[in-house]
Amino acid sequence: KQEVTQIPAALSVPEGENLVLNCSFTDSAIYNLQWFRQDPGKGLTSLLLIQSSQREQTSGRLNASLDKSSGRSTLYIAASQPGDSATYLCAVLNQAGTALIFGKGTTLSVSS
Amino acid sequence: DAGVIQSPRHEVTEMGQEVTLRCKPISGHNSLFWYRQTMMRGLELLIYFNNNVPIDDSGMPEDRFSAKMPNASFSTLKIQPSEPRDSAVYFCASSSEGASGYGYTFGSGTRLTVV
Repeated sequence: KQEVTQIPAALSVPEGENLVLNCSFTDSAIYNLQWFRQDPGKGLTSLLLIQSSQREQTSGRLNASLDKSSGRSTLYIAASQPGDSATYLCAVLNQAGTALIFGKGTTLSVSS
Repeated sequence: DAGVIQSPRHEVTEMGQEVTLRCKPISGHNSLFWYRQTMMRGLELLIYFNNNVPIDDSGMPEDRFSAKMPNASFSTLKIQPSEPRDSAVYFCASSSEGASGYGYTFGSGTRLTVV
């Protein structure tokens, strides 16, 4: 059974710092991996999706990498801003291709 | 488009009562998902519909939970009878590309509290 783990559960950094969020998964047979952002009281917003054949994706200050063989993905946030404060979740598509399996997320707080 | 619309936003009910959560997906999306989020277990898929047909309901906890999608623009998740352990945030999401992971749009969720 696929399991997705995110460490740390919470992270606090000062504004301007570059940071890395980690995601690991137990079964390397994934179709894709996706990073989401969740703001308090809101739903999830997709940030980046990496196909299993890709190694990374970039969007603005965000860069996500994927290493299937080691079962790991990282989300790199450059020059963090207070507006980046949110919970970040990673998710992989299950083997049946019917559902996203989510990690519990990393709650990021960026102080000004 | 107003996005995925869920109602109510908050629901407080007594143990044993019936609870119905509602979802209106984005027009034109052919797939709908119900997820439940708790601190302990994170975000878990309850059921996945494609073209109004349930495809994967393996996440539905037990017979107390039921979900319907009578048409492409409406879905309900019903809990009867409700129990305190059902307290969670329930999210509905829709997609135009099946369960591929692409194009998921989540609603703002319904926070359910069973006392």
